[in-house]
Amino acid sequence: EAGVAQSPRYKIIEKRQSVAFWCNPISGHATLYWYQQILGQGPKLLIQFQNNGVVDDSQLPKDRFSAERLKGVDSTLKIQPAKLEDSAVYLCASSLGGAGENEQFFGPGTRLTVL
Amino acid sequence: QKEVEQNSGPLSVPEGAIASLNCTYSDRGSQSFFWYRQYSGKSPELIMFIYSNGDKEDGRFTAQLNKASQYVSLLIRDSQPSDSATYLCAVKGGFSNYQLIWGAGTKLIIKP
Repeated sequence: EAGVAQSPRYKIIEKRQSVAFWCNPISGHATLYWYQQILGQGPKLLIQFQNNGVVDDSQLPKDRFSAERLKGVDSTLKIQPAKLEDSAVYLCASSLGGAGENEQFFGPGTRLTVL
Repeated sequence: QKEVEQNSGPLSVPEGAIASLNCTYSDRGSQSFFWYRQYSGKSPELIMFIYSNGDKEDGRFTAQLNKASQYVSLLIRDSQPSDSATYLCAVKGGFSNYQLIWGAGTKLIIKP
């Protein structure tokens, strides 16, 4: 079974530039998550999708971050314009969704450095 | 405010000993508790989860819940150098409902 795919793996940009990350979840997984993990901290949920609908985006800085999951499969996360404090690893995870506890499977992450 | 607290460590344990990791949570209504392992430079991977109604043992790993004191523990028996990683605790339920609330993790070092 293929895992969660993310690209790019690394990205270096200057502040005020824009950047986009891509995620392809495990086939059949209805729920998709984007997390931000700053070094030394736990993951922080940015947005959660159930199929192509947003379940929770309460911690997404909407003035600069946007995300979409068209057709309920792939997802993109965009930052525009980037700030120095956006330097972090951006993790995409997916789970089956539905009732009960569903393990979240994480992709390899995208390490973003903002200079 | 919903919080999950962990000692950042590092926690150093000799090989073959029992490693004990703790996590406290603030939301008394929390219903499920997760332990993830994260190797340096890698993504988190689930070790195990438990519900509020009981502990669980899986191989060398045991997760225990103390609801009265609002903490959850992960015990690793016969610790191996390959267990060296950061262990993240996450909690769901109560006010957080479906969302996982994550701790910052405890770094564990197993010394050969």
